[in-house]
Amino acid sequence: DAGVIQSPRHEVTEMGQEVTLRCKPISGHNSLFWYRQTMMRGLELLIYFNNNVPIDDSGMPEDRFSAKMPNASFSTLKIQPSEPRDSAVYFCASSPGTPRGYKETQYFGPGTRLLVL
Amino acid sequence: AQRVTQPEKLLSVFKGAPVELKCNYSYSGSPELFWYVQYSRQRLQLLLRHISRESIKGFTADLNKGETSFHLKKPFAQEEDSAMYYCALRETSGSRLTFGEGTQLTVNP
Repeated sequence: DAGVIQSPRHEVTEMGQEVTLRCKPISGHNSLFWYRQTMMRGLELLIYFNNNVPIDDSGMPEDRFSAKMPNASFSTLKIQPSEPRDSAVYFCASSPGTPRGYKETQYFGPGTRLLVL
Repeated sequence: AQRVTQPEKLLSVFKGAPVELKCNYSYSGSPELFWYVQYSRQRLQLLLRHISRESIKGFTADLNKGETSFHLKKPFAQEEDSAMYYCALRETSGSRLTFGEGTQLTVNP
């Protein structure tokens, strides 16, 4: 298994543009997580899905951010419009998940490094 | 709400010296604690979890509920241990992880 796959690996865009980050979780995993990593705030959970359903989106910064998981093998994180303060590394992670408690290790993707000018 | 604190953003030691990366948490229930590591240009990966009570790459971490700490220790640091280390907490019921701010460890030759 190639692990969690994210694309693009690097993205440079101008303020105001729409940015779409993509994630393919490990096959068979039921839970998917989006994180943002910055020097100032470290790793922050933005949103997570279980069985394609958003469970907790309390970490999503504002309405400019949206995430979808149309099927078990694909998720997107969209920023529209993007701002310079959105510059960060965005990680996707997946875990097998269980019907109770979801107490499984999370496996991280390589991240997407986003720079908004 | 749960919170994880890593008081040191940067930690520098010499090869062969002991190293301790501090992690404190606040959570009213019984948490599950983890240490994740991110080596240069690699993805974040699990290093160890407190319920396993194992030693990985010479690192150990003991959950101290009285002090609400989960410090990561290694008696003799190696240059290849240089990385970013994150302490994380998971609630008793649920799957979200709360991460600390991270500690960048540099092991000098």
